[in-house]
Amino acid sequence: DVKVTQSSRYLVKRTGEKVFLECVQDMDHENMFWYRQDPGLGLRLIYFSYDVKMKEKGDIPEGYSVSREKKERFSLILESASTNQTSMYLCASSPPAREDTQYFGPGTRLTVL
Amino acid sequence: GNSVTQMEGPVTLSEEAFLTINCTYTATGYPSLFWYVQYPGEGLQLLLKATKADDKGSNKGFEATYRKETTSFHLEKGSVQVSDSAVYFCALSSSGGSYIPTFGRGTSLIVHP
Repeated sequence: DVKVTQSSRYLVKRTGEKVFLECVQDMDHENMFWYRQDPGLGLRLIYFSYDVKMKEKGDIPEGYSVSREKKERFSLILESASTNQTSMYLCASSPPAREDTQYFGPGTRLTVL
Repeated sequence: GNSVTQMEGPVTLSEEAFLTINCTYTATGYPSLFWYVQYPGEGLQLLLKATKADDKGSNKGFEATYRKETTSFHLEKGSVQVSDSAVYFCALSSSGGSYIPTFGRGTSLIVHP
């Protein structure tokens, strides 16, 4: 079974802190994604990566950065957390083909106080 | 660009009722179509998919048919159970780009005993 794990299920941080969210997949997938999920807005793509050290901005990259030093690991970084970044963060991975499924982690619910 | 529109929820049904969740799309190229399900407190998981016109995806009693002429992929189940209560996301992955999936906003289903 494909497994995508995220470092924390719940996280509470203070405004201005630097926050790292880690995601690891065990299926040697090329593509990895970070989304945020908010009520009424569905999933919004923050960043994605299609190879090691490669990254592309998604729909809402402002206030976020990413790192992919190894194929299995994709990190989301909030450089200076703000209250409007309180959200559920979902990581996903997939092979590169059109018909391929995305595999999601369980999510990290981040609260910024 | 690509887009997915699905009916707003919540959809509230009694156990054993018939379920339809509508999904329509616009896309470039020849998209693959997906339904994902998110149970409370979890990430998304694939429910079913269809990769070409007239294909029917099915799983766990759910079905959806890829209708190119109406650009639709409606989700149906003949008899819902309380355990089907979840949020359902319609999505597409198109060759007109880099196979980045596009998600609908999700439809919450609540099934009462």
